[in-house]
Parts: sequence; C-alpha cells; structure tokens
Amino acid sequence: GAGVSQSPRYKVAKRGQDVALRCDPISGHVSLFWYQQALGQGPEFLTYFQNEAQLDKSGLPSDRFFAERPEGSVSTLKIQRTQQEDSAVYLCASSPGRATYNEQFFGPGTRLTVL
Amino acid sequence: DAKTTQPTSMDCAEGRAANLPCNHSTISGNEYVYWYRQIHSQGPQYIIHGLKNNETNEMASLIITEDRKSSTLILPHATLRDTAVYYCIVPISGNTPLVFGKGTRLSVIA
Repeated sequence: GAGVSQSPRYKVAKRGQDVALRCDPISGHVSLFWYQQALGQGPEFLTYFQNEAQLDKSGLPSDRFFAERPEGSVSTLKIQRTQQEDSAVYLCASSPGRATYNEQFFGPGTRLTVL
Repeated sequence: DAKTTQPTSMDCAEGRAANLPCNHSTISGNEYVYWYRQIHSQGPQYIIHGLKNNETNEMASLIITEDRKSSTLILPHATLRDTAVYYCIVPISGNTPLVFGKGTRLSVIA
C-alpha cells in the first residue's frame, strides 16, 4: 500500500521567504509527527498531532514555524521568513496508534536549503 | 526518554552477522527498547522492539539482557543494503516524543 509521502522532495528558498511543506500520511493513521534532521545528526522532534489536534509543539524552534492538520489527515509545516539555520531535511511520520512510542512510518523527507 | 549509548560506527563483512550494542542503564521496568534504521537519503524505518524477552522478526533479532540495562540488535546475514545508521530508542510510556540521538553508523563491506 501507499506509504507516507512528502512534497516537495527538495526546496530551495531565499532567506526571508516563506515555505510550506506537505505531508500525506498513511490513510487512517491517527498520529502524525514532524521532525527536523540537520546534516550528520539524528532526527529531532518538532511537533505531533493526534487527528486534527496538535498535542505537542515543544520542539518547534521558533514562532516562525507553524504546523497544521485541519482535517486530521494531510499536514502542512510552514516556515515563515526562512533563515539559513532552517536548512535541513524535514521528516514526516505517521502512526496508527495514539501513543508516541508506537511504530512510526516515515516519509522520504523534504530537503530545504535556504540561501 | 531513557538515555541510550551506542558506538558511533561499526563495520561488518557482507554475509556475517552484525551485532549492534546499546546501553540503556536507566531504563524503567515498563519501558520498551525500539530500534530504527535510516538508509542514506531515506526516512527512518522501524526494525523491531522489545520489553524483556528476546524478539525476532524478518529483519532482525533483539537480545535484551536480564537486567534490561543493555540490548543487542542482530542482523544475522548482513548485506550491502543494510548499510545505514541504526538508532536505539527507549521512549517513555505516554505521549513524549521519540529521541533519536546520533545512532551507530553500520558499514557492510563486500
């Protein structure tokens, strides 16, 4: 079956531009997670949804980062006024369960480069 | 998450067993051990998890010591496609996010 998909796969933005990254989770999965992965590092948690409710956004690095999942399926991660330090791979994962420790299924990521 | 310690890197000859260790000495009685791996340019992939009994699936085996302070992920016949970063994670029960750390970079050599 279809896995988690993310678009675009690659995004180049000029410093100061706004970007929107899309995640299509596996159909029926309740939980959705966003992670940021800098070069050579492991993924770092950004935020987490259960259906349309954003239960944890403690990992968002600044108020320039905003995520939504309005209908409990597709999610968008928006970064306003991008900075060079925002350059990273942004990973989305979904899980059929409600607990954060349930098996997570990851998408391929969106590589964001801010010039 | 309970803190985990893994070697930075390991090599393994193709066709041999790859044994990846993980220390989690502060693990609590109801915390599971999870393993994920990340192949270059892909998202992480779940491998296996366990509580206290050894576990095996089509990808790997997980051996957890009796005191649960450490575990070993075993890939019985490593192939070049198993070259990846392997993450050992001990998530706290509930709704706390997973902490991946830096993992072990496994290189399978022909």
